Amino acid sequence: QITLKESGPPLVEPTQTLTLTCTFSGFSLSTYEVGVGWIRQPPGKALEWLAAIYWDDEKRYSPSLKSRLTITKDTSKNQVVFTMTNMDLVDTATYYCAHGDTTRGMAVWGQGTTVTVSS
Amino acid sequence: DIVMTQSPDSLALSLGERATINCKSSRSVLYSPNKKNYLSWYQQKPGQPPRLLIYWASTRESGVPDRFTGSGSGTDFTLTISSLQAEDVAVYYCQQYYSTPTFGQGTRLEIK
Repeated sequence: QITLKESGPPLVEPTQTLTLTCTFSGFSLSTYEVGVGWIRQPPGKALEWLAAIYWDDEKRYSPSLKSRLTITKDTSKNQVVFTMTNMDLVDTATYYCAHGDTTRGMAVWGQGTTVTVSS
Repeated sequence: DIVMTQSPDSLALSLGERATINCKSSRSVLYSPNKKNYLSWYQQKPGQPPRLLIYWASTRESGVPDRFTGSGSGTDFTLTISSLQAEDVAVYYCQQYYSTPTFGQGTRLEIK
């Protein structure tokens, strides 16, 4: 059974860097065509895809946010770390990580972690 | 970016009615070598993460009721719920994963 869990600070101040960790089980990020992605959802708004990292260490980022994002993986710990720099009030959202593959897209999602940007 | 546009934004139907949600991509998401459309549909209920319903435009994910059907190819896609049940109240999103993934804006489905 595949599970994912997001962790990180619930509150971040403007201009700070957000660091979130996705800890997963039930699959290996060294398996062919497997990836882990990050998606966010501001309150009452739509889903926004942010970034993903794949079995071969390929990384993809949302073009509009690319300059602010970094994604890395630690295969031995079954973790993916996501950072977003220069946080702003509009970055307040629930942040999800999800297991993906090239066949199905994002098949299994974590429960999400809510991040509020406020001074 | 491939822009995904859903219609309608919201939909209110009676129990047992057929629901139809449309999704249009700004460029084709059909990958010619394998003839697969890299388009998925998700269901999101309040307070829950999204759930994958359909991938490759028309393949139902394991455990998804057969009243959910995906269709379309290229740039135009449809999610159909054949007979609306109370538990289908949710927001539905399409997503392309042909290139850097993008989501549609969502369609809210309610019971009339």
